[in-house]
Amino acid sequence: DQQVKQNSPSLSVQEGRISILNCDYTNSMFDYFLWYKKYPAEGPTFLISISSIKDKNEDGRFTVFLNKSAKHLSLHIVPSQPGDSAVYFCAASHSGTYKYIFGTGTRLKVLA
Amino acid sequence: GAGVSQSPSNKVTEKGKDVELRCDPISGHTALYWYRQSLGQGLEFLIYFQGNSAPDKSGLPSDRFSAERTGGSVSTLTIQRTQQEDSAVYLCASSLVHGGDSPLHFGNGTRLTVT
Repeated sequence: DQQVKQNSPSLSVQEGRISILNCDYTNSMFDYFLWYKKYPAEGPTFLISISSIKDKNEDGRFTVFLNKSAKHLSLHIVPSQPGDSAVYFCAASHSGTYKYIFGTGTRLKVLA
Repeated sequence: GAGVSQSPSNKVTEKGKDVELRCDPISGHTALYWYRQSLGQGLEFLIYFQGNSAPDKSGLPSDRFSAERTGGSVSTLTIQRTQQEDSAVYLCASSLVHGGDSPLHFGNGTRLTVT
């Protein structure tokens, strides 16, 4: 049972435009969400997080939105840059546990 | 270094052999995780260590897999009698505390290929 789903395996965006990566979850107990970026042959790098008490968190070009009623979160990258080309994973956990459940990732390609 | 260190970075082994993968977490991080990523898949949880508590081994796929964490620091993941389906990237991560508002910091992984 995939509790965290990233239904788009890939996404291509023109440089300077907005990239929107989506993530859905099924477990209503999840209260902490993270996004990671992964380049080939490297480990995932933490990007941004959001707790369930918020619906938005912003850090520079990266903004994460959380819609608890829809069990949906998204990562917006504005403006997109070629260096943003990577695989993006969303992950979720809840305060009663320590396990982070990851999605299968979305490969973002930013075209110059 | 300041990050999570894993060794070796690549390991090719013959089916049936045992392998040991090592993880050196960030100093001061009490929580340590092992995940693996098979080709085209997401990150699969394997095992979790928190301080001196008993580890959560619920993600280990079979009894051929085991892990230790000595002195609350370095961890070793051992796979006995390797099979071709064990081929994957094995990722170690650490965090300052467990759960909650404490993101995981990953190493670069060990790419294991079983021939």
